[in-house]
Amino acid sequence: NAGVTQTPKFQVLKTGQSMTLQCAQDMNHEYMSWYRQDPGMGLRLIHYSVGAGITDQGEVPNGYNVSRSTTEDFPLRLLSAAPSQTSVYFCASSYGTPREGYGYTFGSGTRLTVV
Amino acid sequence: KNQVEQSPQSLIILEGKNCTLQCNYTVSPFSNLRWYKQDTGRGPVSLTIMTFSENTKSNGRYTATLDADTKQSSLHITASQLSDSASYICVVSALNSGNTPLVFGKGTRLSVIA
Repeated sequence: NAGVTQTPKFQVLKTGQSMTLQCAQDMNHEYMSWYRQDPGMGLRLIHYSVGAGITDQGEVPNGYNVSRSTTEDFPLRLLSAAPSQTSVYFCASSYGTPREGYGYTFGSGTRLTVV
Repeated sequence: KNQVEQSPQSLIILEGKNCTLQCNYTVSPFSNLRWYKQDTGRGPVSLTIMTFSENTKSNGRYTATLDADTKQSSLHITASQLSDSASYICVVSALNSGNTPLVFGKGTRLSVIA
């Protein structure tokens, strides 16, 4: 049971480049989300999905796109990278919504640097 | 505004000693509170969940308490080990906060030294 798998673990981008952060889970979780973690700040929600075909914006969605074509996969796309997007990105999944008390399983993160 | 404040920001203790981490929140209406442990370079892992009616919950050497009246929670670590070195994050869930029901604290960085 792999849990939540994120790739790549590290990435350096030039300003203006685009890329996709991959996230896959094998626990049949309906709820998936993307967070970014910056020094001195709590994790902030970028986008989330309550099931295949359904996505919605979180707290800091600008500059990012998501899609959910399958239950397993939830990729995060950076459209035109900016230095402000330098951060550690975490994908997380849960059986039900966190509001109802279901805990997240987090991936190990992607450390992104935009130069 | 819903907020979660954790203290201290960082803490250094000797192996074998006990410590207590604090979490104060203003999230309303309250649904539940979780403590996560995040090792360096890894994603957070859930330690405990507290609901409104629970005062104390243990998970091995970790004991969480909740005072819903004062909106405070604590995480007590007993007989600390080197492997307890990590960041501990308090996360509070609101019942009806639109797209962002979870409010994350900034974490307490714990270092256990020999």
